Amino acid sequence: EAGVVQSPRYKIIEKKQPVAFWCNPISGHNTLYWYLQNLGQGPELLIRYENEEAVDDSQLPKDRFSAERLKGVDSTLKIQPAELGDSAVYLCASSFSFENTGELFFGEGSRLTVL
Amino acid sequence: QKEVEQDPGPLSVPEGAIVSLNCTYSNSAFQYFMWYRQYSRKGPELLMYTYSSGNKEDGRFTAQVDKSSKYISLFIRDSQPSDSATYLCATVSGYSTLTFGKGTMLLVSP
Repeated sequence: EAGVVQSPRYKIIEKKQPVAFWCNPISGHNTLYWYLQNLGQGPELLIRYENEEAVDDSQLPKDRFSAERLKGVDSTLKIQPAELGDSAVYLCASSFSFENTGELFFGEGSRLTVL
Repeated sequence: QKEVEQDPGPLSVPEGAIVSLNCTYSNSAFQYFMWYRQYSRKGPELLMYTYSSGNKEDGRFTAQVDKSSKYISLFIRDSQPSDSATYLCATVSGYSTLTFGKGTMLLVSP
């Protein structure tokens, strides 16, 4: 069974440029998460989708970050414009059900460097 | 105070040692307790999870939860160099957000 697929794995951009990350969750998983992981820190939730609906986006900086999950499968996370402090790893995860028992399946992450 | 506290390490041990990794949490509503393992430049992977208090064993790994003291532990017996990774504890309650600790980096030397 294929795992969570993310692309690109690495991205280097200059500040003020836009960037987008793509995630394909495990087939059949209704819930999709985007997490931010800074160096030496644990993942922090940015947004959680239940099918197409964003059910928790309270930690998403909406002035520059946006996300979508069209048709309840793939998802895209966008940053525009990027700032130096956005350099981090962006992790996508999926799970089968909304009842959060903590069993999440993570992708390998997209590592962003903003110069 | 963060909801989940974890010593970042690094923790260095020789091969074969018994490793003890620990976390504390503040929210008594947490019901599920997880340990994720994260290798360098990889995403976290679920290692073990327990519901409520008690012990759970899986091979060389034992997870322990003490809800009375809000303490979560992971023990690794006969540690191997392949166990070298960052170990993240995490907790959740029902439909709430999964909350991670900072992670403890473990280095097992041959």
